[in-house]
Amino acid sequence: ETGVTQSPTHLIKTRGQQVTLRCSSQSGHNTVSWYQQALGQGPQFIFQYYREEENGRGNFPPRFSGLQFPNYSSELNVNALELDDSALYLCASSRTSGLVQFFGPGTRLTVL
Amino acid sequence: AQTVTQSQPEMSVQEAETVTLSCTYDTSESDYYLFWYKQPPSRQMILVIRQEAYKQQNATENRFSVNFQKAAKSFSLKISDSQLGDAAMYFCAYRSKGGATNKLIFGTGTLLAVQP
Repeated sequence: ETGVTQSPTHLIKTRGQQVTLRCSSQSGHNTVSWYQQALGQGPQFIFQYYREEENGRGNFPPRFSGLQFPNYSSELNVNALELDDSALYLCASSRTSGLVQFFGPGTRLTVL
Repeated sequence: AQTVTQSQPEMSVQEAETVTLSCTYDTSESDYYLFWYKQPPSRQMILVIRQEAYKQQNATENRFSVNFQKAAKSFSLKISDSQLGDAAMYFCAYRSKGGATNKLIFGTGTLLAVQP
């Protein structure tokens, strides 16, 4: 069984640019959540996708958007990057209403 | 809104000894889930243990156990016979039982060092 994978591992962007992060969910999982983990902090919920629809969102501005594809993989897009967007971005997958989420290794984004 | 507080930024334990990590939370909900996740330097969050609020019995997973005090809104993690591989950042997390999402609310973490 393949676990949750994310790409790329690291990314460096400049302020104002746009970025796309990718996540492949664990086999059999149809729900994907994205979290932002700033340095020294716990992860913060960005949003969740279920069956290709966003069904919940945290306190993040609209320039954070996402997609989920028919194979349940997902993308996180961030427009107009700001310095404070520098963080580890974690993807987690689960089954429908699954109690346990399985996390990927994250993408480290640095905005200069 | 629910909050999770971990008041110990760092802890240290000798190999083979026992350590307890603290977590408190605030909620007005009566049924919910609590979790402890481990994040090693590899960055990948790994579930350590979970507790359902309606279950009075404390959860146990091998060397890991919790002390769940619902009235006090406390959820501490005890690691027995600590091993070098236990060194990591530990996060306490809360999840509502109802609602449309699996949203986890995390604390700020406790960095555990294990001394040989």
